[in-house]
Amino acid sequence: NAGVTQTPKFRVLKTGQSMTLLCAQDMNHEYMYWYRQDPGMGLRLIHYSVGEGTTAKGEVPDGYNVSRLKKQNFLLGLESAAPSQTSVYFCASSLGLTNYEQYFGPGTRLTVT
Amino acid sequence: LAKTTQPISMDSYEGQEVNITCSHNNIATNDYITWYQQFPSQGPRFIIQGYKTKVTNEVASLFIPADRKSSTLSLPRVSLSDTAVYYCLVGDNAGNMLTFGGGTRLMVKP
Repeated sequence: NAGVTQTPKFRVLKTGQSMTLLCAQDMNHEYMYWYRQDPGMGLRLIHYSVGEGTTAKGEVPDGYNVSRLKKQNFLLGLESAAPSQTSVYFCASSLGLTNYEQYFGPGTRLTVT
Repeated sequence: LAKTTQPISMDSYEGQEVNITCSHNNIATNDYITWYQQFPSQGPRFIIQGYKTKVTNEVASLFIPADRKSSTLSLPRVSLSDTAVYYCLVGDNAGNMLTFGGGTRLMVKP
């Protein structure tokens, strides 16, 4: 049981490049989330999903897109990376409506130059 | 959107009890209060969750007064390994606009 895994762990992009971050969970959770955490700051919700095929915007969605084609996977895309998107990205999952505990992945450290 | 306010940092010594208070003045009726712990270079980890009164588990207690406008995380007899950032999270079970806030940086000294 791996829990929540994220790929890749580190990535360096140049401004304007695109990339996709992959989050996978093996706990059969309905809810999945993408957060970003800037140095010394708290986590901010980018997008989330309440089930396969559904996504919703969080607090800071601009510049990101997401997809949840399979229940176990949640993809975060950056179409045209900007230096302001340099951050650590965390994925999380939870059972759903009556269980609020979120399980977090190890994070992806992204640098945009 | 329920916003939380926590102290930026706290210091303690090994063996002491630590209480971290979170203010959430505009908490909604359906909101639960959840606390997470985060070590450097790791994702947050769930500690405890509650709705009202007192909740206790093997690592912490959570005290919530009747008006639910604040909550206190209590860590009994802290050790050096409890040095971390602690986040108070308030939100409904629909997952709407989850707000972690800045967290409280706890430093436990020998």
